[in-house]
Amino acid sequence: DGGITQSPKYLFRKEGQNVTLSCEQNLNHDAMYWYRQDPGQGLRLIYYSQIVNDFQKGDIAEGYSVSREKKESFPLTVTSAQKNPTAFYLCASRDRGDTGELFFGEGSRLTVL
Amino acid sequence: GENVEQHPSTLSVQEGDSAVIKCTYSDSASNYFPWYKQELGKRPQLIIDIRSNVGEKKDQRIAVTLNKTAKHFSLHITETQPEDSAVYFCAANPGYSSASKIIFGSGTRLSIRP
Repeated sequence: DGGITQSPKYLFRKEGQNVTLSCEQNLNHDAMYWYRQDPGQGLRLIYYSQIVNDFQKGDIAEGYSVSREKKESFPLTVTSAQKNPTAFYLCASRDRGDTGELFFGEGSRLTVL
Repeated sequence: GENVEQHPSTLSVQEGDSAVIKCTYSDSASNYFPWYKQELGKRPQLIIDIRSNVGEKKDQRIAVTLNKTAKHFSLHITETQPEDSAVYFCAANPGYSSASKIIFGSGTRLSIRP
């Protein structure tokens, strides 16, 4: 069953803690993306990766980090430096290139207590 | 920098009427403009897209138009139905070196009144 899987679906953390969100895809896509979704602000790009071992900052990368050691995996770490981390996080993937459909995961909702 | 602006933020139309959502983009090198629909509690899904070498594209009740000179594109939904209620996002890819990026608008919450 092909697709993109995010985990966990819900996550709570205390202030000052780092947390890592998982994103795995078996679609053989080269490009992967992380977006943050807040009410009324659409989908804002955090990081994206076009190929293994390479990634670029998006528009709101501060306080986040990523790695791309495998084609199938693109984990996102929300660090304690992120000022307002409570949000809904969406991972997506697509074939390499400048056009083509983004396939999204079901998202991870992070709440900082 | 790259930017995509979307209007209106909310839209309510009578069932059977048409709905129009408009977006503008800042990077003249952008060449790909998709639209995504996100139903409540679900992930965004592509509903239609258009490339810069085309001015209009239709798929049943939905259509997208592109004006490259003015740098704006629009989504048109005709004969609206209750299942069209959702949040709609426009998007664009910045050109050239950052072409793999996809930048989204802020979204339009469309409600269909029975």
